[in-house]
Amino acid sequence: SQKIEQNSEALNIQEGKTATLTCNYTNYSPAYLQWYRQDPGRGPVFLLLIRENEKEKRKERLKVTFDTTLKQSLFHITASQPADSATYLCALIRVSGYSTLTFGKGTMLLVSP
Amino acid sequence: DAGVIQSPRHEVTEMGQEVTLRCKPISGHDYLFWYRQTMMRGLELLIYFNNNVPIDDSGMPEDRFSAKMPNASFSTLKIQPSEPRDSAVYFCASSPGGNQPQHFGDGTRLSIL
Repeated sequence: SQKIEQNSEALNIQEGKTATLTCNYTNYSPAYLQWYRQDPGRGPVFLLLIRENEKEKRKERLKVTFDTTLKQSLFHITASQPADSATYLCALIRVSGYSTLTFGKGTMLLVSP
Repeated sequence: DAGVIQSPRHEVTEMGQEVTLRCKPISGHDYLFWYRQTMMRGLELLIYFNNNVPIDDSGMPEDRFSAKMPNASFSTLKIQPSEPRDSAVYFCASSPGGNQPQHFGDGTRLSIL
């Protein structure tokens, strides 16, 4: 069956360090991969999109990599800040007639001062 | 840009009652999505519309759930009769294209007693 896996345990890091979150998938051939941020009591907010033919995408302190051979995406936040504390969700779009977005369960990031 | 607007933010009702959740998408967005989020299952797509037409409702759990989009600026998700296992946070999202980033509302937290 198709699966998207993100670390269920929270990631705790110190301010200023680089946070790296992992998204693994099986039995998918995604055309696009997206990362979202979700704060408590709020809806997910889009951060970055990467296509299957792209290896890496950057936006300010954020970097996403996409390895279709390993079936994995890594999400990096450099120079992390306490305000980066949130749950981060990866989502895959599989173009197969209908374009639907399937989400992982997310990883909580806690950045301590 | 007002963003996606959902109402109510919170709903507490007794088992067996009809529940109606409402969503106003971002103007100009052709796609509207309804999701349900629980701790156990994460964020699951229930149904989505393109230009007010339901395209994929395979995620709707059972016949007790129904969704409509009578015009481009309004959609409803109805549960009748409601059951305790329907308790979750329900999100509405919209996007300008099928593979474009989705904009989420802040959700309706539904509790069925």
